[in-house]
Amino acid sequence: AQSVSQHNHHVILSEAASLELGCNYSYGGTVNLFWYVQYPGQHLQLLLKYFSGDPLVKGIKGFEAEFIKSKFSFNLRKPSVQWSDTAEYFCAVTDDQTGANNLFFGTGTRLTVIP
Amino acid sequence: DSGVTQTPKHLITATGQRVTLRCSPRSGDLSVYWYQQSLDQGLQFLIQYYNGEERAKGNILERFSAQQFPDLHSELNLSSLELGDSALYFCASSVSAAYYEQYFGPGTRLTVT
Repeated sequence: AQSVSQHNHHVILSEAASLELGCNYSYGGTVNLFWYVQYPGQHLQLLLKYFSGDPLVKGIKGFEAEFIKSKFSFNLRKPSVQWSDTAEYFCAVTDDQTGANNLFFGTGTRLTVIP
Repeated sequence: DSGVTQTPKHLITATGQRVTLRCSPRSGDLSVYWYQQSLDQGLQFLIQYYNGEERAKGNILERFSAQQFPDLHSELNLSSLELGDSALYFCASSVSAAYYEQYFGPGTRLTVT
């Protein structure tokens, strides 16, 4: 079964610092990759997605992610974080193993941005 | 606002009881997914319905069941509740069974005492 790893559990940054959150998945076949964000007390919102094509994808709020197939990775980046980016970030993957469309989630990374 | 609605927002109940969580997908979406978010298990897929039919099953306990009605809303039924069932239950929807982008509802927080 697919597994998704997010190695950073809690990241604390000052405003304007650069951000990179790691995400690795296990399945070697065709995958679709997502980053979701969950602001305190809110629902999961889609930040960006990769289905195919350019491995560098841009999402909302200045976030981007790079798909590196050889490393089974899909790291999330932002050049300069803001206090409003404080949230929990989840990497998620769907794959073509079962024909189902369900998302496999990582354990999440809590980001705290200090003003 | 994603357009996916879930009721109730909070639910507190006792062990051994049965509860029903409700989800209305975004307008036009035919597929509904249920996920459980708990501290120890993280976010886990439970079950997917597409246009009234069960499409895929994940780590759903036998005490849990779901259905999707002709108006496309879905209900997740949890019975013989245990303390460990306390979690946030999310519903998500997508346009079709094979369309990968899912939109999440605000969740129902279930507390079993």
